[in-house]
Amino acid sequence: DIQMTQSPSSLSASVGDRVTITCRASQTISSDLNWYHQKPGKAPKLLIYAASNLQSGVPSRFSGSGSGTDFTLTISSLQPEDFATYYCQQTYNNPSWTFGQGTKVEIK
Amino acid sequence: QVQLVDSGGGVVQPGRSLRLSCAASGFIFSNYGIHWVRQAPGEGLGWVAGISSDGSNKYYVDSVKGRFTISRDNSKNTVYLQMNSLRAEDTALYYCARTFTSALGTRFDYWGQGTLVTISS
Repeated sequence: DIQMTQSPSSLSASVGDRVTITCRASQTISSDLNWYHQKPGKAPKLLIYAASNLQSGVPSRFSGSGSGTDFTLTISSLQPEDFATYYCQQTYNNPSWTFGQGTKVEIK
Repeated sequence: QVQLVDSGGGVVQPGRSLRLSCAASGFIFSNYGIHWVRQAPGEGLGWVAGISSDGSNKYYVDSVKGRFTISRDNSKNTVYLQMNSLRAEDTALYYCARTFTSALGTRFDYWGQGTLVTISS
């Protein structure tokens, strides 16, 4: 199975900060990488698909990059509603689509 | 609008069975695969099972193979997850999710609200 490792596991940031979360795959996954966030008590929400494509309706402050094994999610200017847990997911190894362990973004 | 409603969760003893349902509306159900993802208390997301749009292909994570069965009824716009021989480690919030596939790959673009399964004696 392909293992997905996110870093950091948690971070503290302030409103307006630029935030970067990294996801590394245990083997190459091309660009088959999605990003979700999840707020407490809510279902996950798709943010980025195919490594760098913004899902419809998602604010443009979210962006994704990378290919192969290393990927990045960037929030250009953190907003109060962005405090959540972020997950990457690989969809290369069809259909065992594993998630990273999550990165919790907290208020500093 | 697209909506997925998960139901069927509850508290059951180890070794017993439970059937989850995912009722869909707002889109052409028979055009989309549906998957189940679970989240143990305080933990991250884990893919569990999936079924293709016509039901001909079914997929499972190793830990549930032989115990869980996914199925769908396209006339009822519903996917089911039959869970047998339940274990304490199956305790989790179970979400169904719609899969959208394009030339750019596959993603889970809509999710249900989740249904809680608790395995306890």
